[in-house]
Amino acid sequence: KAGVTQTPRYLIKTRGQQVTLSCSPISGHRSVSWYQQTPGQGLQFLFEYFSETQRNKGNFPGRFSGRQFSNSRSEMNVSTLELGDSALYLCASSLAEGGYGYTFGSGTRLTVV
Amino acid sequence: KQEVTQIPAALSVPEGENLVLNCSFTDSAIYNLQWFRQDPGKGLTSLLLIQSSQREQTSGRLNASLDKSSGRSTLYIAASQPGDSATYLCAVSPHSGGYNKLIFGAGTRLAVHP
Repeated sequence: KAGVTQTPRYLIKTRGQQVTLSCSPISGHRSVSWYQQTPGQGLQFLFEYFSETQRNKGNFPGRFSGRQFSNSRSEMNVSTLELGDSALYLCASSLAEGGYGYTFGSGTRLTVV
Repeated sequence: KQEVTQIPAALSVPEGENLVLNCSFTDSAIYNLQWFRQDPGKGLTSLLLIQSSQREQTSGRLNASLDKSSGRSTLYIAASQPGDSATYLCAVSPHSGGYNKLIFGAGTRLAVHP
């Protein structure tokens, strides 16, 4: 079966711009989570969506937002980009909640210049 | 607040050695613990998932154990190969802190040389 698909793979943006990243989960998975990975902070949880509802949010500013569609695909948006937003953004899908494992996509490498 | 620590931070070994990577977590109230592998610039590949009621899981040359009461997990890699070179991450899925949130350790960077 197809894995978690993230697009685009690479992105270069200018400070102040906004960006939208996309994640298609494994078929049948209803939970989609987003993570930011940087060399200094490691992997940090951004937010989680289940059945189009944001159920959990990490400690990130309001510039980071997301949504989930009825087909479970999810998008993440970052507005007013800052240099510090340069990171690998990873999406993970899970069957449901709690006791199920997570499958990660290959990530989107965002560079802000 | 759940914290996950991985020791050592880096490891360089000759091919063929058996390895043990350590992971500790501060709160035993978890659903499960998962070990991942990450190659440079790539996403995470799931290696092993241990449910909170389980003690260990095995896949090929990999064996992971979980001692929830002491807040520890170990990943054992038998007969290491150069292709095992990567960063290994452990993550817990905590009961508290909301839904479907993984807390990651900083990882162990492994280099296996021929």
